[in-house]
Amino acid sequence: SYELTQPLSVSVALGQTARITCGGNNIGTKSVHWYEQKPGQAPVLVIYRDSNRPSGIPERFSGSNSGNTATLTISRAQAGDEADYYCQVWDSSSAVFGPGTKVTVL
Amino acid sequence: QVQLVQSGAEVKKPGASVKVSCKASGYTFTSYYIHWVRQAPGQGLEWMGIINPGGGDTTYAQKFQGRVTVTSDTSTSTVYLQLNSLRSEDTAVYYCARAEPSVTVYFDPWGQGTLVTVSS
Repeated sequence: SYELTQPLSVSVALGQTARITCGGNNIGTKSVHWYEQKPGQAPVLVIYRDSNRPSGIPERFSGSNSGNTATLTISRAQAGDEADYYCQVWDSSSAVFGPGTKVTVL
Repeated sequence: QVQLVQSGAEVKKPGASVKVSCKASGYTFTSYYIHWVRQAPGQGLEWMGIINPGGGDTTYAQKFQGRVTVTSDTSTSTVYLQLNSLRSEDTAVYYCARAEPSVTVYFDPWGQGTLVTVSS
């Protein structure tokens, strides 16, 4: 079965840029989606199909995908961006999620 | 606006069954698929299965096959998840989520979640 890897945690200074990676075998050939989950809340889609932002998601959120790594970038990080972030792909008729990355804004 | 509203928290004993509902509104119910994803306490997201509400066809994750049933009621725009033979490891928040019928499957929006606690 397909597996995704993510760093357990990422720290970013207020106003700086956070990059969260999602690794997988030839992940660049798949569509990658990203979700933000704050404590006690349901996940929210922040990037779909590698680099598209749903309406209502700030332009500070961007995504890329190539080779064996997809990346979610959060520019000008704010305190409100503290959350868990999950990547997700669809493989062999099932959804596969990464283990999640906890983002801390210092 | 598009909304998925789930039923309330449940407490079940080991070996029992639970049925969680997910009521959709704000869009054409039969034009989108509904997926179920669960999250154990302090853990990540785990995909369970999918239903096409229009046709009723389903696909389940291998881990849950034989123990899970997802159904839909088009008259009330509601999807149901039933999980049988509950064990303590099934304690989790269960989410429903909408997805387009596409090869690139992503989930938007999600229901608010239903906590199922399995305890003797």
